[in-house]
Amino acid sequence: NAGVTQTPKFQVLKTGQSMTLQCAQDMNHEYMSWYRQDPGMGLRLIHYSVGAGITDQGEVPNGYNVSRSTTEDFPLRLLSAAPSQTSVYFCASSYSGSSGNTIYFGEGSWLTVV
Amino acid sequence: GDSVTQMEGPVTLSEEAFLTINCTYTATGYPSLFWYVQYPGEGLQLLLKATKADDKGSNKGFEATYRKETTSFHLEKGSVQVSDSAVYFCALTGNQFYFGTGTSLTVIP
Repeated sequence: NAGVTQTPKFQVLKTGQSMTLQCAQDMNHEYMSWYRQDPGMGLRLIHYSVGAGITDQGEVPNGYNVSRSTTEDFPLRLLSAAPSQTSVYFCASSYSGSSGNTIYFGEGSWLTVV
Repeated sequence: GDSVTQMEGPVTLSEEAFLTINCTYTATGYPSLFWYVQYPGEGLQLLLKATKADDKGSNKGFEATYRKETTSFHLEKGSVQVSDSAVYFCALTGNQFYFGTGTSLTVIP
């Protein structure tokens, strides 16, 4: 019972490098999202998707791109990494974004930009 | 817009003490309310939920009651254990998911 799977779990990048955080879910959820978690800031929404082919920006989208070509996958791309993007990233999914639906999280990806 | 405000931490308690973590919300419509728990080095896991006013969610000895009149969903446990040490997040869903900033709990033997 995989749920939400994120890779890699740990990554160190140099400033200016690009990379993709992978996220896959096997629950046939329509809604998927990416959050970053920073000390004292809680969870902040980066991007979200309500279905294949549909994405939208969250609270802190700058410096990140997403796409949703399939229901299962929702990769997060860092275009040109900056030290301010050092954070823990969580992918999450839910049956829908509406009231009553539980959101399920991956185990997180720890990213350090030097 | 919708939002969640929860008690600032960190909270440190002795084993078997009573726990309350306050959570209040602002929402239009009729949101569902959740508590999630995050253990060190892990993602967030659902602890309990309530989908309508006066519902009580409960799990692992934790309880929270959806109070529409006070727009609150406070988390309580009668006797905490060392294994309850974690960060607790209050959340609501309306058209989107909204999370509080988290409250760190440390339980000492």
